[in-house]
Amino acid sequence: ETGVTQTPRHLVMGMTNKKSLKCEQHLGHNAMYWYKQSAKKPLELMFVYNFKEQTENNSVPSRFSPECPNSSHLFLHLHTLQPEDSALYLCASSQTIDSTDTQYFGPGTRLTVL
Amino acid sequence: AQSVSQHNHHVILSEAASLELGCNYSYGGTVNLFWYVQYPGQHLQLLLKYFSGDPLVKGIKGFEAEFIKSKFSFNLRKPSVQWSDTAEYFCAVNAGGSSASKIIFGSGTRLSIRP
Repeated sequence: ETGVTQTPRHLVMGMTNKKSLKCEQHLGHNAMYWYKQSAKKPLELMFVYNFKEQTENNSVPSRFSPECPNSSHLFLHLHTLQPEDSALYLCASSQTIDSTDTQYFGPGTRLTVL
Repeated sequence: AQSVSQHNHHVILSEAASLELGCNYSYGGTVNLFWYVQYPGQHLQLLLKYFSGDPLVKGIKGFEAEFIKSKFSFNLRKPSVQWSDTAEYFCAVNAGGSSASKIIFGSGTRLSIRP
């Protein structure tokens, strides 16, 4: 256990559904991240939040909508996804947003879009 | 554009063999370098990192990595692997300075250790 939890662990959804992924960190960190891990591709950083404020959106399509109500919780709202969005979505947190800080990862949500 | 290459996609070794996993990056400025490991069924976790000082970095479980600036490399090494080192290893480079938003991961190397 790294102190970062993600729910659900597995999710199957149709292209017209709306669902949300949840991440919670119990480490007292101030920065949180969403990553996408597709088969045979490198881990891709999607969003970065620092003290609840979004600081980075790496050209992610608008069908992915992040929300960070406080420094401990991070959501990824999903709507009208495509089959190519099927992947493992990882959440991470770090003490600060500094590039030297270690990131602590959650177990991920395995998403399948039908 | 910044990139990270891990040339070995799958490495198979016997126990007690020595290990070296390659990591090369393309960026001319100051970088912070990381190796993360994902054991079967577990979370991605940090093995070691370098951001300044001695270019030979020691991490957990007997792993070390050497930053060679002239070669843009940060290879991971272990003198004698164990079966429990079976995992996927990811190199990551962050050229973001005060921001973690420029982190780039390699595609990973799967290490299989024969008992």
